[in-house]
Amino acid sequence: QVQLVESGGGVVQPGRSLRLSCAASGFTFSTYGIHWVRQAPGKGLEWVAFIWYDGNTKSYADSMKGRFTISRDNSKNTLYLQMHSLRVEDTATYYCTRDPGRKPTVQYCFDYWGQGTLVTVSS
Amino acid sequence: QTVVTQEPSFSVSPGGTVTLTCGLSSGSVSTGYYPSWYQQTPGQAPRTLIYDTNIRSSGVPDRFSGSILGNKAALTITGAQADDESDYYCVLYMGSGIWVFGGGTKVTVL
Repeated sequence: QVQLVESGGGVVQPGRSLRLSCAASGFTFSTYGIHWVRQAPGKGLEWVAFIWYDGNTKSYADSMKGRFTISRDNSKNTLYLQMHSLRVEDTATYYCTRDPGRKPTVQYCFDYWGQGTLVTVSS
Repeated sequence: QTVVTQEPSFSVSPGGTVTLTCGLSSGSVSTGYYPSWYQQTPGQAPRTLIYDTNIRSSGVPDRFSGSILGNKAALTITGAQADDESDYYCVLYMGSGIWVFGGGTKVTVL
């Protein structure tokens, strides 16, 4: 069955960097686009970034652009989110979630979700 | 920047019907925004309910339905059950590879 497992979260000081990973299994990873979505404690969901199946096209929410980089290694079935210059307001649970469209299409939604990894930015 | 709007909260009686909406601070929601809906209970990952306006995700009961009502996307729960008590989020595709979530609606069944 489809599984997405996030890792890499933890406590980090403001201004530091952190890299999250999302290990995928149960489907042909290289044929699906994948998103990062985050949720601050007690708050709503916020879309972070999307990467197409081949990694050649990426998009970001304005508030994350320039600080966050989404990438993927299709040989390892793994998605990444490199976060720099972290701020207290980046504290959130970060989810990876799949777009159900198989290459070359995108379905503009999310189907399977991981359980999330918590990032806490605090001094 | 365009904001996606949702009602903050709704209350529905068991067996009742409730319609949640998903609008834009400027403009109308159409199918071209590919509205989708997600259910989330505290401490859990979101669950996909509806995508592409009105297509139910696998395993979602048919008491959940999606539509466009006027200038908004809508999620209707018909015959609400106790375990429908959750937060519900819509998300719209804004074009150019950008998605925006609404603020979520907390549904109480009582």
